[in-house]
Amino acid sequence: GENVEQHPSTLSVQEGDSAVIKCTYSDSASNYFPWYKQELGKRPQLIIDIRSNVGEKKDQRIAVTLNKTAKHFSLHITETQPEDSAVYFCAASITGTASKLTFGTGTRLQVTL
Amino acid sequence: EAQVTQNPRYLITVTGKKLTVTCSQNMNHEYMSWYRQDPGLGLRQIYYSMNVEVTDKGDVPEGYKVSRKEKRNFPLILESPSPNQTSLYFCASTDRPDGETQYFGPGTRLLVL
Repeated sequence: GENVEQHPSTLSVQEGDSAVIKCTYSDSASNYFPWYKQELGKRPQLIIDIRSNVGEKKDQRIAVTLNKTAKHFSLHITETQPEDSAVYFCAASITGTASKLTFGTGTRLQVTL
Repeated sequence: EAQVTQNPRYLITVTGKKLTVTCSQNMNHEYMSWYRQDPGLGLRQIYYSMNVEVTDKGDVPEGYKVSRKEKRNFPLILESPSPNQTSLYFCASTDRPDGETQYFGPGTRLLVL
């Protein structure tokens, strides 16, 4: 089955700096890659996603890049703010596999003032 | 309001005492899943369901059962809970077969003594 590895497990940046979280996946058939943000004590919420026919997607301060050849994808957050502090999860799935999402182990991002 | 609800939100029980965690969604979603979240392990899928009476195992199904008799409900059953099932459980639903845009419930924190 699919295996998703995520790095780093913790990340501390100063407010205004950029943060990058990286994930690799094992199944070359995977074609949908979402990122979820989980604030302390809250449920995970989708913040951005990308499909395998796109190399990059951007939404304001967040962007995701995908390298299908290398089987890795990354989340980029620019101009970080304290409210970006949370745990971020990447995930991978294959279209048509009926909601079979495999998650990474998470990255705890701390944005310091 | 579109939502996924879970009950109970917190539960302390003892080894071997059967319990059920309910999950209900009001969005008419076909696909529903159960995940457990443990520190350092991320979100791991327990079971998922593609429609009424159609369920399949996720990555960590041992010790759990599910049923999908109605489209809106997807209860998680622990027939004989053990301490290693102490965890934070999330139910999720989506109307997309590739797992896109999962809506998560608020979570159920379970402690098995």
